[in-house]
Formats: sequence, C-alpha cells, structure tokens
Amino acid sequence: EPEVTQTPSHQVTQMGQEVILRCVPISNHLYFYWYRQILGQKVEFLVSFYNNEISEKSEIFDDQFSVERPDGSNFTLKIRSTKLEDSAMYFCASSTGTTNTGELFFGEGSRLTVL
Amino acid sequence: GQQLNQSPQSMFIQEGEDVSMNCTSSSIFNTWLWYKQDPGEGPVLLIALYKAGELTSNGRLTAQFGITRKDSFLNISASIPSDVGIYFCAGQDNYGQNFVFGPGTRLSVLP
Repeated sequence: EPEVTQTPSHQVTQMGQEVILRCVPISNHLYFYWYRQILGQKVEFLVSFYNNEISEKSEIFDDQFSVERPDGSNFTLKIRSTKLEDSAMYFCASSTGTTNTGELFFGEGSRLTVL
Repeated sequence: GQQLNQSPQSMFIQEGEDVSMNCTSSSIFNTWLWYKQDPGEGPVLLIALYKAGELTSNGRLTAQFGITRKDSFLNISASIPSDVGIYFCAGQDNYGQNFVFGPGTRLSVLP
C-alpha cells in the first residue's frame, strides 16, 4: 500500500541551527502538507503546497520556514534558525486534492528536538 | 480561523463497551475525516465522509456526516484494548485544501 515516508525520524539540533525535514509523498498525489504537533497537543496546519507553490500557510509558518519540492519525489520543510519552541513532531501529508473525494494521508513524523 | 471542538476530551471505558465521540464546528465543512493516533506515530485515517447525512462504516467503526455540515460523530462498537489512542476529527471546506484538526478525544480501554 502506498505510504508517505519521512526522514529523519528524530533530529536533535542546537538552537539557531538550520534543519531540513524530508518527505516523499504518495506518488500520484498532487497536494502536499506539513503539520506540526507539539507534545500532547493537537495537530496544527503549517503549509500546503500545490503545483510547485505554496497554496495556503498558517500564522505559524513565518519567515523562518520554507518548503521546496526539489525533484519529482521529495518535499522538504526547512527551518532556517531553530528556536526552542520549534520542538515538536512534524508530519508530512499528501492528498489527491480533489474536493469531496480527497483523503489526507500522513507520514510517521519527524521528531525535532531543539536544545 | 476555523476551529473544531471534540467531546469528550477523554474517556475511560470497559473492554467490550461501545464508544461514541463527536466533533463540532461553527463553520460548514464539506469533508470530514476521522483519524486515530498512537503514541509517537502519525495519524492513521479511519473513515472519510463527503456528503451531509452520509453514514460510513469501517469494521467496528461507524461515522456520520451531520446534516448541518457542522458536526460529525464516530462510534466504536465492542471496544478492544488496541482501540486505545487519540481520535482526531479533521474538516475541509471548499475554499482551500487545508484540513483543520480538532483537539482530539483520548480513549482508554480497561480490561
């Protein structure tokens, strides 16, 4: 069964360092997403991406964040200068994007710990 | 922005009991998704709903899309220990592709 894959599963970094989280969405999906989940809290939307550009972003997705689809399979989230409060699970998700029939599938997540 | 509420926040039930949880919103959604999340893992899609009034089952799980399009419920029949986890609802409107998540219902099943 097709699945969304994410790497790394866990990353520990020093505050101020750059981090890149990687995702391989399901191959025939057109919409890609990043969500964040701080420990014990709900899943929060960060950004959606379609046709090689951002289609929506939340207030969490500030100038420190960027996304890229560098090739035909990968979708990355970059945090330019990490802060302590960026510590969270980051989930990549993908969807066919068709309204009223689209389903959103998640990867296993990348746990980011900022020290 | 759009917000979803889920109730109850948490529940403790005996193995074998039926469970009901719901999700409400102040705004209309056109798609409702229900997920289960185990600790340290990503949300796993359980059921997707696309039409007001739609009732869909997946094994022991049944979910309905409310007629007002502002709510949805999830029922689990004959609960078993592996049903333990956090259940999230997510809604999508027609104006964007973003899915908004509720805060979750934490389910504990006692043997």
